[in-house]
Amino acid sequence: AQSVTQPDIHITVSEGASLELRCNYSYGATPYLFWYVQSPGQGLQLLLKYFSGDTLVQGIKGFEAEFKRSQSSFNLRKPSVHWSDAAEYFCAVAISNFGNEKLTFGTGTRLTIIP
Amino acid sequence: GAGVSQSPSNKVTEKGKDVELRCDPISGHTALYWYRQSLGQGLEFLIYFQGNSAPDKSGLPSDRFSAERTGGSVSTLTIQRTQQEDSAVYLCASSLALGGTQPQHFGDGTRLSIL
Repeated sequence: AQSVTQPDIHITVSEGASLELRCNYSYGATPYLFWYVQSPGQGLQLLLKYFSGDTLVQGIKGFEAEFKRSQSSFNLRKPSVHWSDAAEYFCAVAISNFGNEKLTFGTGTRLTIIP
Repeated sequence: GAGVSQSPSNKVTEKGKDVELRCDPISGHTALYWYRQSLGQGLEFLIYFQGNSAPDKSGLPSDRFSAERTGGSVSTLTIQRTQQEDSAVYLCASSLALGGTQPQHFGDGTRLSIL
């Protein structure tokens, strides 16, 4: 079965600093990959997705992610974080005959921004 | 509405009672999903619907859980004889169709607390 690992439970960065959140997946073929963000008391908002093609994908709010097949990774990056980026971030994988019936999520990374 | 709507937003009930959670997907979305988010288990997939049909119910944690969707729109998740371990946030998502290129859009969830 597929699995997703987010090794960092909690990350703290200064406002204006760069950010990288790690995500590794386990699956024999190339899955569909997603990053979601969740603010307190809110649902999940899609930041970006990778299905095929260019391995560097751009998302909303200035985020990007790079798919590296050799490392089974899909790390999320942002060059300069803002206080409003404080939230929990989830990496997810979709694998099925159709491709999107079930999302398997990582355990999440909580991002704290300090002034 | 513009997004996925879930009701109630919060539900507190006594152990042993039945509860019904409602999800109103984005208009025109044929696929609908239920997830559970809890401290101990993270985000778990429960069930998905294509139209009114749920092809795979294996994600439901026990036979106390059931879900239905009527008219290809609103879905209800019912938990019978609730237990304390059912306390969690129940998230609903919808997508335009099944398929890897159709991202899931999430509601804000129902926070269920079992006393």
